[in-house]
Amino acid sequence: QKEVEQNSGPLSVPEGAIASLNCTYSDRGSQSFFWYRQYSGKSPELIMFIYSNGDKEDGRFTAQLNKASQYVSLLIRDSQPSDSATYLCAVIEDSNYQLIWGAGTKLIIKP
Amino acid sequence: DAGVIQSPRHEVTEMGQEVTLRCKPISGHNSLFWYRQTMMRGLELLIYFNNNVPIDDSGMPEDRFSAKMPNASFSTLKIQPSEPRDSAVYFCASSPGTGLIYEQYFGPGTRLTVT
Repeated sequence: QKEVEQNSGPLSVPEGAIASLNCTYSDRGSQSFFWYRQYSGKSPELIMFIYSNGDKEDGRFTAQLNKASQYVSLLIRDSQPSDSATYLCAVIEDSNYQLIWGAGTKLIIKP
Repeated sequence: DAGVIQSPRHEVTEMGQEVTLRCKPISGHNSLFWYRQTMMRGLELLIYFNNNVPIDDSGMPEDRFSAKMPNASFSTLKIQPSEPRDSAVYFCASSPGTGLIYEQYFGPGTRLTVT
């Protein structure tokens, strides 16, 4: 059973600090990786996607992919209370082309 | 622009009743996905369609669940008969591409409660 694992949290970070969210996956051949944000009672929305090893930056968000170690991270710089949400990691497995979702990490930004 | 539209937003029904959830994807999108989300199991992909054709229904939990997409602008997810364990939030999402690698846009969800 292929898996995508995330620490459920909650992860508490002071306002203005860097929030670091991690996700590990079991299918070594996975090629596509997504980070979605979900506010309580709302639907998921895409934050970033990454396909290649290394870093990808978009505003205050940076996705980091390390295929050798099979993890993908999301960094949020200058974190704001409005960043408080659950962050979902999703991975497309290479073996059977299935989209597997992690359980999500709840992030709390403290003012 | 209108996003993904789902109806109803809330549904409360009794065990054994038929439930039909509806979804209108974003115009021009080629793929449509049905998800179920619970605290215990997280977000689960039930089925997805490319160009109105079901591609992968391996996530459908059992024969009580069925989904159709008669045209590019409408899809239904039906549960018959419903059971209390079906209680969850059901999301519909659409995507501009014909595969999983494209960004998915989620609807607001239908919160289903089966008593």
